[in-house]
Amino acid sequence: EAGVAQSPRYKIIEKRQSVAFWCNPISGHATLYWYQQILGQGPKLLIQFQNNGVVDDSQLPKDRFSAERLKGVDSTLKIQPAKLEDSAVYLCASSSNIAVLSSYEQYFGPGTRLTVT
Amino acid sequence: DQQVKQNSPSLSVQEGRISILNCDYTNSMFDYFLWYKKYPAEGPTFLISISSIKDKNEDGRFTVFLNKSAKHLSLHIVPSQPGDSAVYFCAARDSGTYKYIFGTGTRLKVLA
Repeated sequence: EAGVAQSPRYKIIEKRQSVAFWCNPISGHATLYWYQQILGQGPKLLIQFQNNGVVDDSQLPKDRFSAERLKGVDSTLKIQPAKLEDSAVYLCASSSNIAVLSSYEQYFGPGTRLTVT
Repeated sequence: DQQVKQNSPSLSVQEGRISILNCDYTNSMFDYFLWYKKYPAEGPTFLISISSIKDKNEDGRFTVFLNKSAKHLSLHIVPSQPGDSAVYFCAARDSGTYKYIFGTGTRLKVLA
């Protein structure tokens, strides 16, 4: 079974530029998560999708971050304009279906390391 | 407001000995607790979990213990191996929102 795919793996941009990350979850997984992991901290949830609907985006800085999951499969996360404090690893994860009690396992992609200079 | 805390940033253990990683939480609405292992430049990988209605779950060398009254869980690795050297994250799922809250991680180093 193929895992969660993310691209690019690394990105360096200047502040005020824009950037986009792509995620392809495990086939058939209904729930998709984007996390931000700042160095020395645990992953922090930015947004959670169930199919192509947003379940939780309470910690997404909506003035600069946006995310979409068209057709309930792939997802993109965009930052525009980037700030220095956005430097972090952006992790995508998927799980089968949050409505199914047993499907609590999340599977993570390798992440995208973003450096904003 | 840190709902999931891992108070030890690092831990060193001799190969063959037991590694004990600890995690404390504050939210009574968590229904599942999970441990993830993370190697450099990779995403976290699921290791073991425990439901809030259980007090122990074992999988090979890994055992997780849950003490609900103390709001504390621990991961035991016996015997520890050099390949276990990684950062371990404790995570908890909120039963109302299905949101996962992660701790800050503990870096385990197993010395050969």
